[in-house]
Amino acid sequence: EVQLVESGGGLVKPGGSLRLSCAASGFTFSSYSMNWVRQAPGKGLEWVSSISSSSSYIYYADSVKGRFTISRDNAKNSLYLQMNSLRAEDTAVYYCARRLDYMDVWGKGTTVTVSS
Amino acid sequence: QPVLTQPPSASASLGASVTLTCTLSSGYSNYKVDWYQQRPGKGPRFVMRVGTGGIVGSKGDGIPDRFSVLGSGLNRYLTIKNIQEEDESDYHCGADHGSGSNFVRVFGGGTKLTVL
Repeated sequence: EVQLVESGGGLVKPGGSLRLSCAASGFTFSSYSMNWVRQAPGKGLEWVSSISSSSSYIYYADSVKGRFTISRDNAKNSLYLQMNSLRAEDTAVYYCARRLDYMDVWGKGTTVTVSS
Repeated sequence: QPVLTQPPSASASLGASVTLTCTLSSGYSNYKVDWYQQRPGKGPRFVMRVGTGGIVGSKGDGIPDRFSVLGSGLNRYLTIKNIQEEDESDYHCGADHGSGSNFVRVFGGGTKLTVL
């Protein structure tokens, strides 16, 4: 079964850091680009970051550029998002999604809450 | 980059049809748009991609024939016929902008579909 499972969310104070992980299974992880997309409470989807299959191309939304770092380990079938200098507006459910041509498989998400 | 606009809500009676609209901002009439379904408390699910010529590629896994798309001018439509209770969801549209060293993914605000 094709599956993506996010983990690492939690409660963190403003200015703090958190590292999210996304474990992939059931498909050839190294063949797909991967994405992080978030959804603030009661809001729509917001694209956060993308990484190509071999990590050659990395992109960030302006809202997280310079604070978040996306990475992957194809040997471990895992995607990561290092989040630093967190702000209240980063509070959201964070989803990972695989992409060949379109984002066709999504995880169930992990919740990040930034609050003092 | 394009802005995608969706009405915040829509409703339809059980067994009826409904058309959801995603409108691209001026100048982006050649852009393709991806539709996603998000049931309450779940992650997004890819529905299908639409351009001005209609569907691009294949529907997402398990998407019934009741779902169809059309594209005209700046509008990208998702039509659901014979609406069922399980169609009650948030529907999001998304589009890519750029390539090479500059890439962003933009999403609309989502439309909440209520089945009456």
